[in-house]
This record gives sequence, C-alpha cells and structure tokens, in this order.
Amino acid sequence: DTGVSQDPRHKITKRGQNVTFRCDPISEHNRLYWYRQTLGQGPEFLTYFQNEAQLEKSRLLSDRFSAERPKGSFSTLEIQRTEQGDSAMYLCASSFRGLGRSPLHFGNGTRLTVT
Amino acid sequence: SQQGEEDPQALSIQEGENATMNCSYKTSINNLQWYRQNSGRGLVHLILIRSNEREKHSGRLRVTLDTSKKSSSLLITASRAADTASYFCATDPSGGGADGLTFGKGTHLIIQP
Repeated sequence: DTGVSQDPRHKITKRGQNVTFRCDPISEHNRLYWYRQTLGQGPEFLTYFQNEAQLEKSRLLSDRFSAERPKGSFSTLEIQRTEQGDSAMYLCASSFRGLGRSPLHFGNGTRLTVT
Repeated sequence: SQQGEEDPQALSIQEGENATMNCSYKTSINNLQWYRQNSGRGLVHLILIRSNEREKHSGRLRVTLDTSKKSSSLLITASRAADTASYFCATDPSGGGADGLTFGKGTHLIIQP
C-alpha cells in the first residue's frame, strides 16, 4: 500500500533539543499538509505545500517551527528548542489538487513527548 | 482556530443501534467532510458533502447538510463494535482560501457489544 507514511512513530526528547519529523505522501498527490493534534482536540492546521512551494505558513505555532518539501516529494517538519507544550501528535496528510478539492489522506502521525 | 463543533462530545450506545453526531460551523463552505480516527492512528476520510447538496449516503453512513443553519449531521446505522472511534467534521472554506481543512473537536463514539 502506498499510503502516507510518517517517521518516526514516536519521539521522546528533552526540553531544548531539536527534533525533525519526516512525511512521505502518496506519490501522485501534489499537496502536503502538516497538522498538530493535542489530546481531546481535533487536528490543528500548521502549514501546507503545493509541490515544493510552501503556500501557507502563518499558522505555524512559532518561529521554532519550520517545514520543507524539497523537490516536491517528502516533507520534513522541524521543531527547534522544544518545549513541554510541544508534546502532541503531529499529523501529515496529502491530497491531489485538481479542479476541485479532494479529501485528505492522513498518515498515522508522529507522537512527540517533550520531557 | 477550530470552526466545527461536534455534538455530543461523547456518545455510548449498544451495538446495533444508530448513532447520530452533529456538527456546527461558522463561515461559508465549499464542502464539509467527516473523518474517523481510531485511537493512536491517523484520520480516515468517510464522506464529503458539497455546499449545494443536502444529503448523501455511503453504506451505513448518512450525512445531511443545512447551509442556512451552518450545520451537518452524521448518522451511522446498525452500529458495530468496530465503529468505536472519534469522529470529526471538517470544513473546506469557500472563497478559494489556501488554508487546509478546519476540524472540530470530535465526537468520541463507543459501541458497547
């Protein structure tokens, strides 16, 4: 199955460390999204790419968060100087942007725990 | 910010019964989508209803949309234990916005055998 894959599934880090997550979207999808989900809440939109262009990044939670999608394929989300409040599930999703919007296909997420 | 608000926050029913979840939203939309999330997993798309549609069916799922009231409902008929999950509505705003979908807080559904 060539669904959306995320790596790692779990990450435990100490406060102040940097972390990077990877997302591999469905190959024919041109849009890639990052969401954050905390316990008991729905996913919160962070940023998205169309091919390699990052078209929306104002929703990134702080300047410690950054995302890249070199060559329009996989994407990485980096959090610098992690804080305990960054503990959450980070979800990646992809879709195909054609004449209309298509549903999102999500990966199983990376669960981050900051100690 | 989360536009959709699901109601109830939690629902527990017996297997075989029908489950109804509601969603309210605030702004104009292109479409509204429902997703399911099993514990510790990603979200799975269930059904999409466009703003010019009033009702849509998919298997045991029935979705309604009332754009005048800015609300939607998801009905799962003949529930099964495997339907136990959290269900989220998500709105796709009109106006060609570049943002991703906006999700509500979800309804946690428990189907008791």
